[in-house]
Amino acid sequence: QSALTQPASVSGSPGQSITISCTGTSSDIGAYNYVSWYQQHPGKAPQLMIYDVSNRPSGVSNRLSGSKSGNTASLTISGLQAEDEADYYCVSYTGSSTSCVFGGGTKLTVL
Amino acid sequence: EVQLVQSGAEVKKPGESLKISCKGSGYSFTSYWIGWVRQMPGKGLDWMGIIYPGDSDTRYSPSFQGQVTISADKSISTAYLQWSSLKASDTAMYYCARRAVGWYFDLWGRGTLVTVSS
Repeated sequence: QSALTQPASVSGSPGQSITISCTGTSSDIGAYNYVSWYQQHPGKAPQLMIYDVSNRPSGVSNRLSGSKSGNTASLTISGLQAEDEADYYCVSYTGSSTSCVFGGGTKLTVL
Repeated sequence: EVQLVQSGAEVKKPGESLKISCKGSGYSFTSYWIGWVRQMPGKGLDWMGIIYPGDSDTRYSPSFQGQVTISADKSISTAYLQWSSLKASDTAMYYCARRAVGWYFDLWGRGTLVTVSS
């Protein structure tokens, strides 16, 4: 099972919007609405930001939103803030015995 | 409080064995899958495998099948990740995470740093 493909880095200025893509296949992202996104600050554990493609857990800012089209999922962060600077990872269920596949991660820099 | 508490950092030599733990509390431990994720220094997250403590049903990523063993003791609400013979390349942070209904990880441990060096 190959890892999901994410851009290595994205950047934006405070107040702007950015989108991080996560490309898989018809066997993972394209087949299931089980895509989740995680934020990881340096030295910290990952934290769930989006689940089931577009749902936000309680406490997560509504500036974050998720979507999916075909084999590609996307995380959009609007109104960028300095605190958004972190690494972001996507994960998709694969329906196989291996269970899931992770993206390679995207480093978001707030300029 | 709902949490996953992982065991402390370990420093081992190549060839040694190791078992690290992840203890769940504040929820029904046997009702949720527990996954393990590796993060090598400066790198991304790598999926290792997952276990259902209720019946010890275990799935492994092909990359880690045969390299590690995932187990659980439901009587003490604890999941484990173990190695029989460590390599320097096993040096990493290891996270456990609870898989929520659906397919996502809603609760993470703080991680266990494993350092393997001669």
